[in-house]
Amino acid sequence: IAGITQAPTSQILAAGRRMTLRCTQDMRHNAMYWYRQDLGLGLRLIHYSNTAGTTGKGEVPDGYSVSRANTDDFPLTLASAVPSQTSVYFCASSGQQGGNEQFFGPGTRLTVL
Amino acid sequence: DQQVKQNSPSLSVQEGRISILNCDYTNSMFDYFLWYKKYPAEGPTFLISISSIKDKNEDGRFTVFLNKSAKHLSLHIVPSQPGDSAVYFCAARVHGQNFVFGPGTRLSVLP
Repeated sequence: IAGITQAPTSQILAAGRRMTLRCTQDMRHNAMYWYRQDLGLGLRLIHYSNTAGTTGKGEVPDGYSVSRANTDDFPLTLASAVPSQTSVYFCASSGQQGGNEQFFGPGTRLTVL
Repeated sequence: DQQVKQNSPSLSVQEGRISILNCDYTNSMFDYFLWYKKYPAEGPTFLISISSIKDKNEDGRFTVFLNKSAKHLSLHIVPSQPGDSAVYFCAARVHGQNFVFGPGTRLSVLP
């Protein structure tokens, strides 16, 4: 593993289903983030974690939950997917919250029908 | 209301000419600014940054200018190359807080 990996690459999901997007980093970064990218809206922060064991809400947290059991992994869960959650999801990490540079994963394209 | 704005959704420039991408912000407490570049089907990658204590930062073909009084920053690419065709995001943060991203500008460099 080099940097940040995300899985799956893409997914089509029926509305109402539960889905977990996976994110793993090998840089030992303290802070991790989940963003969604939508046309005309840029990258919007969903949830973040400053360090293992802590999480916080971003700009658009509703309908999503996260956990940070260890430094490397930061999964994002949609408990009951809705079509408005169709988006491209990016995981990122940085040395610390608000760190000078964030490193992004390749993204997960999610379609909710 | 968006705190970071990129009012041009797209920009086309001839190869070899200068590309100027603009970004405006509303929060005077922002103290650090980044530009990211994003190719299709890839994650954003860091391009260049500037601190609020500076008004210019240069890295090769890329220069970022910051005008704090106007709450405006711009990214200059000289000379533009076809490989620069991508979406460019501006981001800003208050010290110790999370970054806020703009909506992005799609740059097309025409050969």
